[in-house]
Amino acid sequence: AQSVTQLGSHVSVSEGALVLLRCNYSSSVPPYLFWYVQYPNQGLQLLLKYTTGATLVKGINGFEAEFKKSETSFHLTKPSAHMSDAAEYFCAVSAPNYGGSQGNLIFGKGTKLSVKP
Amino acid sequence: GAVVSQHPSWVICKSGTSVKIECRSLDFQATTMFWYRQFPKQSLMLMATSNEGSKATYEQGVEKDKFLINHASLTLSTLTVTSAHPEDSSFYICSARGQGEGWGNNQPQHFGDGTRLSIL
Repeated sequence: AQSVTQLGSHVSVSEGALVLLRCNYSSSVPPYLFWYVQYPNQGLQLLLKYTTGATLVKGINGFEAEFKKSETSFHLTKPSAHMSDAAEYFCAVSAPNYGGSQGNLIFGKGTKLSVKP
Repeated sequence: GAVVSQHPSWVICKSGTSVKIECRSLDFQATTMFWYRQFPKQSLMLMATSNEGSKATYEQGVEKDKFLINHASLTLSTLTVTSAHPEDSSFYICSARGQGEGWGNNQPQHFGDGTRLSIL
């Protein structure tokens, strides 16, 4: 079974400050990990993903995340927050397609990011 | 590329009405589509997974007869909420994974913009 925990339902930073959104996962098999962003009344947009290979993954809009197996973490960071980054962020885990798995995404509860001017 | 269109974006209707929501992949063929439900300030909960040409797989606790899913083509899946009641009011989001994006679950799902359903 897989699960995702996002620490902090709401994170507030100042414009230009470091953004750190935390995600820890639980998985019995090597996971695939994703970060999605959701703006109000919209669907989800993929920011970045980790499957295999390099553990530091770079995504769109200056975001990056590092897969740390020993810590079962996949925290999302951005060096300098912009007002347009204010949104809801979801971490998700999926399993490799062993045994015909559908590849369902298991989402965390989300973290709302506010950016103060 | 990889655009998913969901329609309608907002619907308000009376209790007892059936509502159909469409999910289309505009520039790719989607062998698998997913339907989610999102309550205010909460995460997405998977309702069902549909593969083109076969019956949908519903998650535990989701009523198959209440939420009818049809995935008749590689570009269209529909969710019909039958005899909707106020407790069915929610934000419904579909996603699709393409046929040509590679085998396996490492390929991302592409999401529609969601449908806000309000039952009076």
